[in-house]
Amino acid sequence: GAVVSQHPSWVICKSGTSVKIECRSLDFQATTMFWYRQFPKQSLMLMATSNEGSKATYEQGVEKDKFLINHASLTLSTLTVTSAHPEDSSFYICRVPPVRQPANEQYFGPGTRLTVT
Amino acid sequence: TQLLEQSPQFLSIQEGENLTVYCNSSSVFSSLQWYRQEPGEGPVLLVTVVTGGEVKKLKRLTFQFGDARKDSSLHITAAQTGDTGLYLCAVIQGAQKLVFGQGTRLTINP
Repeated sequence: GAVVSQHPSWVICKSGTSVKIECRSLDFQATTMFWYRQFPKQSLMLMATSNEGSKATYEQGVEKDKFLINHASLTLSTLTVTSAHPEDSSFYICRVPPVRQPANEQYFGPGTRLTVT
Repeated sequence: TQLLEQSPQFLSIQEGENLTVYCNSSSVFSSLQWYRQEPGEGPVLLVTVVTGGEVKKLKRLTFQFGDARKDSSLHITAAQTGDTGLYLCAVIQGAQKLVFGQGTRLTINP
């Protein structure tokens, strides 16, 4: 069964509105989760690291005030795209790192397709 | 600059042909992973290579880790239409960050 879930799987919103995407770790607790963005025909780009109990750390070039990340519990991280614009339309995927080493198996959510009109 | 350079970025070949995809870097890695991703889904792990010079086979797919652990290749023998997809190499960068190459979009034509 799925180890990581995302909700919603797809969303269409109007320009200027905010959208919240949830990532849930179903099988184990995760103090750290990761958010990726993928534009059409491109690779996955790491956006930020979600840290339970502390602020998220963002990759260079990612606006922290636009992409709000809240690690609400050990099984839930949320990504809120604020004041969304058409250029924010993308596929957003979360990842939960494995709990055991070596860290070979990686757990990805099924992704959320965001379309901003 | 990109940590992992994949080539080619796009490849379209006929069913039955062989192909090789490359993943190169100037950095040394303790391990490297290859993923395959279908449209609208998360990436699926194919293999992890950890030893310089290591070769791993997964049916018609052969993965090799360079001797210096800076590069890797994926070779597909007798490609099938079901091999179509986005192939990504990736490495762990400190604090469990998984960083991907630009990807190779492979299309196998019948």
